[in-house]
Amino acid sequence: NAGVTQTPKFRILKIGQSMTLQCTQDMNHNYMYWYRQDPGMGLKLIYYSVGAGITDKGEVPNGYNVSRSTTEDFPLRLELAAPSQTSVYFCASRHRDRANTEAFFGQGTRLTVV
Amino acid sequence: DAKTTQPNSMESNEEEPVHLPCNHSTISGTDYIHWYRQLPSQGPEYVIHGLTSNVNNRMASLAIAEDRKSSTLILHRATLRDAAVYYCILNDAGKSTFGDGTTLTVKP
Repeated sequence: NAGVTQTPKFRILKIGQSMTLQCTQDMNHNYMYWYRQDPGMGLKLIYYSVGAGITDKGEVPNGYNVSRSTTEDFPLRLELAAPSQTSVYFCASRHRDRANTEAFFGQGTRLTVV
Repeated sequence: DAKTTQPNSMESNEEEPVHLPCNHSTISGTDYIHWYRQLPSQGPEYVIHGLTSNVNNRMASLAIAEDRKSSTLILHRATLRDAAVYYCILNDAGKSTFGDGTTLTVKP
């Protein structure tokens, strides 16, 4: 199994550009998450989804959009990129059952906005 | 949302046990306590989780206070490879938020 796959691994954007960070998982997990991590800081939840067609805001949703049309995919869209969005982005997934809630993380996407 | 509080940093000597504390005084009855760690330049990885009883696995042990307002992650013999940021989180109906974690330094 591939687990959680994020693409791209690295990206440089100019201010005002837009892009989509891709995340896909092959474990049939219901729950999926997007986090950002600024240097030296912990992870901040951007958006999460508890199943296909359902998304909800996390702690820092401004400037981002998500969709969840399938169980496998959870893309994160950045519109009008700003320097404050320079960060490492992690996607994660886990099973819905509370007794089996180990989350699996992707390797991250390092984004720089200049 | 239930929050967790952890010390910013801790140090340990190699081969010695490490006790990483976490306070979660507003925990609800159905919140599971999870621990993850993040090695340098990697995504977080699962360590252990529990609800009420103490838990053991090949990586660590989790001791949960009787009132569930605190927990302790125990690494029985720290190695240099255990140097990482350790996060204690509570899972609440799908939403999982991380704090800033505890940076563990292991000295040879």
